[in-house]
Amino acid sequence: GAGVSQSPSNKVTEKGKDVELRCDPISGHTALYWYRQSLGQGLEFLIYFQGNSAPDKSGLPSDRFSAERTGGSVSTLTIQRTQQEDSAVYLCASSLEPGGIAFYEQYFGPGTRLTVT
Amino acid sequence: QKEVEQDPGPLSVPEGAIVSLNCTYSNSAFQYFMWYRQYSRKGPELLMYTYSSGNKEDGRFTAQVDKSSKYISLFIRDSQPSDSATYLCAMSADFGNEKLTFGTGTRLTIIP
Repeated sequence: GAGVSQSPSNKVTEKGKDVELRCDPISGHTALYWYRQSLGQGLEFLIYFQGNSAPDKSGLPSDRFSAERTGGSVSTLTIQRTQQEDSAVYLCASSLEPGGIAFYEQYFGPGTRLTVT
Repeated sequence: QKEVEQDPGPLSVPEGAIVSLNCTYSNSAFQYFMWYRQYSRKGPELLMYTYSSGNKEDGRFTAQVDKSSKYISLFIRDSQPSDSATYLCAMSADFGNEKLTFGTGTRLTIIP
């Protein structure tokens, strides 16, 4: 079946512009995660959505970052007034509802490579 | 100091060699340990999962956890060129803790 998809695959933007990154999770997966992967930094947790619960936004680095998930499916990560330090690969993952081993099987998309010039 | 430390490499070994990849961590609450493999320009994929201390084997891969030393390892036997990738360790504390803490990843190249 189809995996997690993300768009665009690459995005180059000028400093100060806003960007929107999209994630389509695997059908039926209720949990959705956003991570940021910077060179030499590993994956950094940003935000987590689970069903209709309030999202866990504790990993968002500043108020310029926001995310929403519509209809329990597609998610959009928005970065306002982009800065050069926002340049990274933004990865989305989804998983089945927490419980049992399935929770830890986070299936990742290919990521969006963001470059802020 | 980062919660999870992982040597970034790069690590190059000849085909057929045994590979040892390691992570250390500082948070004694971590109980769930995972290894992800990430090919270039792809998202990470779950390779191995272990709970608490001990060993787990899956084909050519063995994951080891030593909680007393806060040290985890992934061994790859009979390494193949297709194993060339970046390997990331990840861990979490209580069951149901959705936030995984990742290492920086080790870039591995298997030389034919």
